[in-house]
Amino acid sequence: GAGVSQSPSNKVTEKGKDVELRCDPISGHTALYWYRQSLGQGLEFLIYFQGNSAPDKSGLPSDRFSAERTGGSVSTLTIQRTQQEDSAVYLCASSSDNEQFFGPGTRLTVL
Amino acid sequence: GNSVTQMEGPVTLSEEAFLTINCTYTATGYPSLFWYVQYPGEGLQLLLKATKADDKGSNKGFEATYRKETTSFHLEKGSVQVSDSAVYFCALRAGGTSYGKLTFGQGTILTVHP
Repeated sequence: GAGVSQSPSNKVTEKGKDVELRCDPISGHTALYWYRQSLGQGLEFLIYFQGNSAPDKSGLPSDRFSAERTGGSVSTLTIQRTQQEDSAVYLCASSSDNEQFFGPGTRLTVL
Repeated sequence: GNSVTQMEGPVTLSEEAFLTINCTYTATGYPSLFWYVQYPGEGLQLLLKATKADDKGSNKGFEATYRKETTSFHLEKGSVQVSDSAVYFCALRAGGTSYGKLTFGQGTILTVHP
């Protein structure tokens, strides 16, 4: 596709459930990033992939959060045992050089 | 660690007014600096960037100059339009690489009235 795509666009879940968020980066982009955007915390970095490796995962807030990337393309962000404070918009970005291109985000609501 | 501070918002202006959104940063070395914009209902998109001191980034009538001496990257536009209403984010990336995480400011909501 022409841009970064994310699915689902919206996800409502119950506290304690696991969720998976998907990101399809721009074809050929070697770097992929996850961020989250929430009212209280603004835009926060979560994890960065270069190819299938994650040289920087310093932003993951707890061990309930994990991410993987396969084939140097699609990435999945998994949140286990969701909590209400996990409610946010999760953004994915990809880049081949200087500029990061952002997807539309997945709005996660934990009830 | 690295950090970015933006002026408090929201900012409300009349059409054709002059806009300044202040941004200062704390970082080691020579980071790259960015302004991103998020229009209502849309995703985050790059507005402009500067990668070294004294560089001026510009796009769509917006400008920002990388000032190392004042660690600032203020966003300016001479005459705003209603269509400029959006949330603006200042961001930095550590220097010496084309990759790596962005550190964002808290965002400034701009509303332009006709």
